[in-house]
Amino acid sequence: DAGITQSPRYKITETGRQVTLMCHQTWSHSYMFWYRQDLGHGLRLIYYSAAADITDKGEVPDGYVVSRSKTENFPLTLESATRSQTSVYFCASSEGYEQFFGPGTRLTVL
Amino acid sequence: QKEVEQNSGPLSVPEGAIASLNCTYSDRGSQSFFWYRQYSGKSPELIMFIYSNGDKEDGRFTAQLNKASQYVSLLIRDSQPSDSATYLCAVNILYGGSQGNLIFGKGTKLSVKP
Repeated sequence: DAGITQSPRYKITETGRQVTLMCHQTWSHSYMFWYRQDLGHGLRLIYYSAAADITDKGEVPDGYVVSRSKTENFPLTLESATRSQTSVYFCASSEGYEQFFGPGTRLTVL
Repeated sequence: QKEVEQNSGPLSVPEGAIASLNCTYSDRGSQSFFWYRQYSGKSPELIMFIYSNGDKEDGRFTAQLNKASQYVSLLIRDSQPSDSATYLCAVNILYGGSQGNLIFGKGTKLSVKP
C-alpha cells in the first residue's frame, strides 16, 4: 500500500537494550524525519534526512542513531534504551511544505 | 532557542460556534507557518499553511498571520464535534520548506460540545 508505515506499532523493552524502529515510505520523498512526542513537550525533532546517505541532528538527538541507505527507509536505533526514551515516535516524510506522518510507534522502556 | 507557544487548553466551544486557536513564535526569521490537527491516538495531519501576512481561508478554516506581532492563529467556523482534537502550530525558518527546521508548539486541545 502507498504511504508511510512504521513498525512495530508497540514495543516494550528493558533499559540497556538496543531497539530499532522502522519507517518506510512509498512516495520516494526526499526528506524523512523522526520525532518523539511526550506530554508537556509536544513534538520534538530527533533526526532528519534530506536524501539517502544524508542525515542531520534535530533538537533531541542524544541516545539515537539513524541511517538512510535507501530513499524509502529511515530506521531509528536506540543503542542503549533508557526510561527517558519512553515515548511515542513518529516518522514523517516530505517533498515540499507538507510533512506526512506515519501512524507512530509507542515505545515503553522498563 | 526558537520557541513556539500555544495555550494548552482545553478550549471548549459549543457546536456551531467559532473556535479561535492562537500561537506565538520567537524567531523573527520564521517564514512559513503550519497548523496540524491530531486526533487522540493518531498522527498529525496538515490542515492549513500560511506564508504571507493576512488571512488565508480554506472552507471552514482561516489562518491569520501577523509577522510584526509574531502571531499566527487558526479560526474554525461552524465548529463540529468532529473538530475535537489537538491543534499543533508549527513554524519553519525556511520559506515553503519543511526540511528539518519545523518547530512545533505543544498543541491546544479543542473540545466542541454538541
